[in-house]
Amino acid sequence: NAGVTQTPKFQVLKTGQSMTLQCAQDMNHNSMYWYRQDPGMGLRLIYYSASEGTTDKGEVPNGYNVSRLNKREFSLRLESAAPSQTSVYFCASSLSGGGYEQYFGPGTRLTVT
Amino acid sequence: QKEVEQNSGPLSVPEGAIASLNCTYSDRGSQSFFWYRQYSGKSPELIMSIYSNGDKEDGRFTAQLNKASQYVSLLIRDSQPSDSATYLCAVILYGNNRLAFGKGNQVVVIP
Repeated sequence: NAGVTQTPKFQVLKTGQSMTLQCAQDMNHNSMYWYRQDPGMGLRLIYYSASEGTTDKGEVPNGYNVSRLNKREFSLRLESAAPSQTSVYFCASSLSGGGYEQYFGPGTRLTVT
Repeated sequence: QKEVEQNSGPLSVPEGAIASLNCTYSDRGSQSFFWYRQYSGKSPELIMSIYSNGDKEDGRFTAQLNKASQYVSLLIRDSQPSDSATYLCAVILYGNNRLAFGKGNQVVVIP
């Protein structure tokens, strides 16, 4: 089992460009999450999907959109990238919402110039 | 008050010693608590989960939970250089079921 996979690993964008970060899990988990990690700020939740067909905003959703494509895949889209979105993005999944353990993918390091 | 606080600065411990990390949380209704280890440039890796008051041991790691005082701690016994990493405390907030993270504590094990 690969666990949680993310593509790409690295990306450089110019301000205003768009891109989609891909995430997939093979653990048959119901819930999936997108976080960003910035120095001094810790991990912050952008969006989550409690189950297939549902998505909800997290702590810092502005500038992002998500799609829960199916039970395995959860994508994060930046429609018009800004330098403030330079960060490391992590996807995670858990069996269900609530108190279940979350498992993280390897991350995408994004730089917006 | 921050949702999850890890106030200690970088912790340096000699190889073989015990490393002790502390974390406090603000949501009194929280029931689920986790410790993650994150190596530089890598993703967080779950190392411990604890749900009940008291101690939970897993190999060289012991998590301790005190809900009345709203703190959770992690002990690393017989510290090894491979334990050098940042340790993140995480708490499921009762109010919105969101996993909130502390900013982490860096541990450096000196051979």
